[in-house]
Amino acid sequence: GQNIDQPTEMTATEGAIVQINCTYQTSGFNGLFWYQQHAGEAPTFLSYNVLDGLEEKGRFSSFLSRSKGYSYLLLKELQMKDSASYLCAVVDSNYQLIWGAGTKLIIKP
Amino acid sequence: ETGVTQTPRHLVMGMTNKKSLKCEQHLGHNAMYWYKQSAKKPLELMFVYNFKEQTENNSVPSRFSPECPNSSHLFLHLHTLQPEDSALYLCASSQESSGGYNEQFFGPGTRLTVL
Repeated sequence: GQNIDQPTEMTATEGAIVQINCTYQTSGFNGLFWYQQHAGEAPTFLSYNVLDGLEEKGRFSSFLSRSKGYSYLLLKELQMKDSASYLCAVVDSNYQLIWGAGTKLIIKP
Repeated sequence: ETGVTQTPRHLVMGMTNKKSLKCEQHLGHNAMYWYKQSAKKPLELMFVYNFKEQTENNSVPSRFSPECPNSSHLFLHLHTLQPEDSALYLCASSQESSGGYNEQFFGPGTRLTVL
């Protein structure tokens, strides 16, 4: 079967750095998305990786290793507004999006 | 209006009621999706429409009935639901439903409670 694993919940301190991991086993691979979802709101696009390596976008970076079936989202200089759920999703060989359950990130002052 | 809108934002219904959820996208996209989001579970894809044609129906019970009259509008008709159907129902749209880089834009969702 297809599976996406990410931690259920993480806690970090304002101003710090946090890394949210995502591992996947899917039938084929055509890219990996990270979305952010604040409580009661729509998920919003953060990043897309299809090649190995690190993509940096401001305070957020996303890394992919296809050989390891692994990605992470790195958040720097954490702000209180970064408290949200972070969803990992993989595009499989049929171009279907396979979603993880999301990681709830709690930021403390 | 911009992006993807959904109405109503909250809905409480009895098991014998019939109601409809509405989604509208103002992005010129050709694909629209219905997802179910339950607490601590992955997003569950329910239906996909590409150019108004249904391309996916992931074993969804017949008490959920989608309708896509045009590329901008998507409905989810509900009847004789069960309490376990209580969840957040999200609508999304994308340029098309295939292709690797196919960013989906989500609406704010309808929080459904079935009593």
